[in-house]
Amino acid sequence: GQNIDQPTEMTATEGAIVQINCTYQTSGFNGLFWYQQHAGEAPTFLSYNVLDGLEEKGRFSSFLSRSKGYSYLLLKELQMKDSASYLCARAGVDSNYQLIWGAGTKLIIKP
Amino acid sequence: DAGITQSPRHKVTETGTPVTLRCHQTENHRYMYWYRQDPGHGLRLIHYSYGVKDTDKGEVSDGYSVSRSKTEDFLLTLESATSSQTSVYFCAISESDLYSNQPQHFGDGTRLSIL
Repeated sequence: GQNIDQPTEMTATEGAIVQINCTYQTSGFNGLFWYQQHAGEAPTFLSYNVLDGLEEKGRFSSFLSRSKGYSYLLLKELQMKDSASYLCARAGVDSNYQLIWGAGTKLIIKP
Repeated sequence: DAGITQSPRHKVTETGTPVTLRCHQTENHRYMYWYRQDPGHGLRLIHYSYGVKDTDKGEVSDGYSVSRSKTEDFLLTLESATSSQTSVYFCAISESDLYSNQPQHFGDGTRLSIL
């Protein structure tokens, strides 16, 4: 199927590092997006990966392994404002290039 | 922030009534999308548009119709609302399609409750 899986909830401490994983179907893959969504707000674009490796943007990095159908979002130096849901979304030929979204990982940051 | 406005932001209505949600953009983007978001589910695509009067179905299109008569406006209509359509509805836009891997940008959402 077109399942895209990510953990439902994670907890981390302010100032620490957290890694949010996302696994997806590899067949027909054409790119993986990460979005951040604060409660009651719209999703906002964080990063995009289509080639293997790590993309870094300040405190946030995103990694992709196409052969393993695996991506992660790495958040460093966590701040309280990073408490949000993180959504991964896969584009693929099999979905007519439309995005298939994971259910999101709710990240709770504790002081 | 991308210039996307959804209206209304909140609506409560009764089963069987028609409902129309509006998405207005000022970015002149070609692609527009309607999603619904429910607890425990990812965003699910209802319909999308790739130009004026050009629309196509997403994975959860039953019970919904759309229209796009102008580049800037994309309307979502529930012909006869049912309680299962209670959800948060998001409009999104993108400059081009996913062949060129452009991200989608979202409006603030409409919270729709059907009693």
